[in-house]
Amino acid sequence: AQSVAQPEDQVNVAEGNPLTVKCTYSVSGNPYLFWYVQYPNRGLQFLLKYITGDNLVKGSYGFEAEFNKSQTSFHLKKPSALVSDSALYFCAVRDRERDDKIIFGKGTRLHILP
Amino acid sequence: ETGVTQSPTHLIKTRGQQVTLRCSSQSGHNTVSWYQQALGQGPQFIFQYYREEENGRGNFPPRFSGLQFPNYSSELNVNALELDDSALYLCASSLAWGGRRNTEAFFGQGTRLTVV
Repeated sequence: AQSVAQPEDQVNVAEGNPLTVKCTYSVSGNPYLFWYVQYPNRGLQFLLKYITGDNLVKGSYGFEAEFNKSQTSFHLKKPSALVSDSALYFCAVRDRERDDKIIFGKGTRLHILP
Repeated sequence: ETGVTQSPTHLIKTRGQQVTLRCSSQSGHNTVSWYQQALGQGPQFIFQYYREEENGRGNFPPRFSGLQFPNYSSELNVNALELDDSALYLCASSLAWGGRRNTEAFFGQGTRLTVV
């Protein structure tokens, strides 16, 4: 069965510095990978996805993510963090070749310090 | 806005009662998934409906049940509520088996259920 691991409960970054939020996955076939963001008392908002092709994918609000098949990772990155990026971030995997359900990691809380 | 709407936004129920949560999917989507998100946790997959049939289920007891209607809207029913059922319930709509373009799910704002 597919699974997602986010090893960090919280990441603190100073405003203007680059940020990385880590994610590793396990899936039987070719993975469809996603990042979502959640603000307080809100649903999840889609940020970006990897389906196939270029390993570096770009998404909303200046975020990007790098797919690494050998390390089964899909880390979220941003070159210069903003205070408004502070939120809860979830990595997710969809197994299109098996049951097509989307499974989420436990989330990483990102704190951008002014 | 994602086009996915959930009702009600907040709900308080007593232990042992039953509850029905509703979700209206984004236009053109044929799949709806329900998730339970406890405080400080990631969304836990409850089940998924595709063309009105359940086609995937997470580790939740049978008292969690659902329906998907011909217009692809959906309900989540929980019987015999327990205190631990208190959580944010999220509905997500997507296009199943839609190839490589339509792969992501879009979420509603959620229903905050409190069981007392």
